[in-house]
Amino acid sequence: GAGVSQSPRYKVAKRGQDVALRCDPISGHVSLFWYQQALGQGPEFLTYFQNEAQLDKSGLPSDRFFAERPEGSVSTLKIQRTQQEDSAVYLCASSWAPGNTIYFGEGSWLTVV
Amino acid sequence: GESVGLHLPTLSVQEGDNSIINCAYSNSASDYFIWYKQESGKGPQFIIDIRSNMDKRQGQRVTVLLNKTVKHLSLQIAATQPGDSAVYFCAVSPGNQFYFGTGTSLTVIP
Repeated sequence: GAGVSQSPRYKVAKRGQDVALRCDPISGHVSLFWYQQALGQGPEFLTYFQNEAQLDKSGLPSDRFFAERPEGSVSTLKIQRTQQEDSAVYLCASSWAPGNTIYFGEGSWLTVV
Repeated sequence: GESVGLHLPTLSVQEGDNSIINCAYSNSASDYFIWYKQESGKGPQFIIDIRSNMDKRQGQRVTVLLNKTVKHLSLQIAATQPGDSAVYFCAVSPGNQFYFGTGTSLTVIP
């Protein structure tokens, strides 16, 4: 596609619900990143994929967070048993190769009530 | 890892003036740097990048300066326009991962 596409753009979840956020990277991009951005803060790294391999998940805040990219293209970030502190914008970014410019999607805004 | 900081959280400039936004980083192994612009409700948008083998790079109305000795980079915007109002982030990469600062909110006064 022309850019990184994320869905849903907005999600309101009740505390305790599970959510799944989808990212469609730019076609052909090998590297895919997930970031979490709290209000008024910069993006914080969550996890990184190279093709289907999850090479770094050191930023995932707890074992309630899980990400996958089974076929090396679309990725899903899943948050189980959501809590209020999970409320943030979840940004996906991709690049055509490691060490190159990363391009962001518009983000998925999650509000946990 | 990497620690990225910005010198000013907010900056106000008159329309037509030049803007300078600063960023400091900690890891001397960092070798790739990107400036992003983020408007309200949108994702970060690429502005300009620079690699560690350069100390200056120019784009359209924007210039990035890199000082590896003091681990500092800056974004200069010439003839700032109202459409430049946004939050600006520097992103620093010592490898595959990018680390972001907290951002500088630029307000352009007409």
